[in-house]
Amino acid sequence: DTGVSQNPRHKITKRGQNVTFRCDPISEHNRLYWYRQTLGQGPEFLTYFQNEAQLEKSRLLSDRFSAERPKGSFSTLEIQRTEQGDSAMYLCASSTGVKMNTEAFFGQGTRLTVV
Amino acid sequence: SQQGEEDPQALSIQEGENATMNCSYKTSINNLQWYRQNSGRGLVHLILIRSNEREKHSGRLRVTLDTSKKSSSLLITASRAADTASYFCASLGGATNKLIFGTGTLLAVQP
Repeated sequence: DTGVSQNPRHKITKRGQNVTFRCDPISEHNRLYWYRQTLGQGPEFLTYFQNEAQLEKSRLLSDRFSAERPKGSFSTLEIQRTEQGDSAMYLCASSTGVKMNTEAFFGQGTRLTVV
Repeated sequence: SQQGEEDPQALSIQEGENATMNCSYKTSINNLQWYRQNSGRGLVHLILIRSNEREKHSGRLRVTLDTSKKSSSLLITASRAADTASYFCASLGGATNKLIFGTGTLLAVQP
């Protein structure tokens, strides 16, 4: 499967614990996005990378959230001291980015439940 | 909120009818994209329209773009029960060319 891969698919954690999600984009894609989606809402932009550079981070993202893409390939999203309000689907997408007019390809997401 | 807005929020039609969804966005754009999401699944890209285009067709899909009004519409013709899903517009633009999604339209096609 050469699509965008996200792991784990599901994560249940206790409030206050740290969690880390991984995204493996399509291999030749240099743009990588992270989104958060709650039930009945559209994907909410969190952050994105061009290669290893983090180009923008949403102001809505508290300092408990951090993302990395150390070698410009896979990316990780870490949430520290999780809160119940962090429960959501976390989506990763990648695109070629070389030309602006290309679509993004999404992974199946990681569903986080904070109890 | 950075998100664009879509209307209607929900739409229920009979099989064979046409469905129209509208989207408004906030910044200047390079392109406007439409995605589909089945319940609990990832998003699938449907169609992309560039900022210098006004209309685009792909199979049963027709997209229009009005950059002066910062709006777009998606028309699905001859709908099928399998078209039941949520539909999202996404604008690529802004200072750093990020992809921002709208709030979505939930389409239900009754057989």
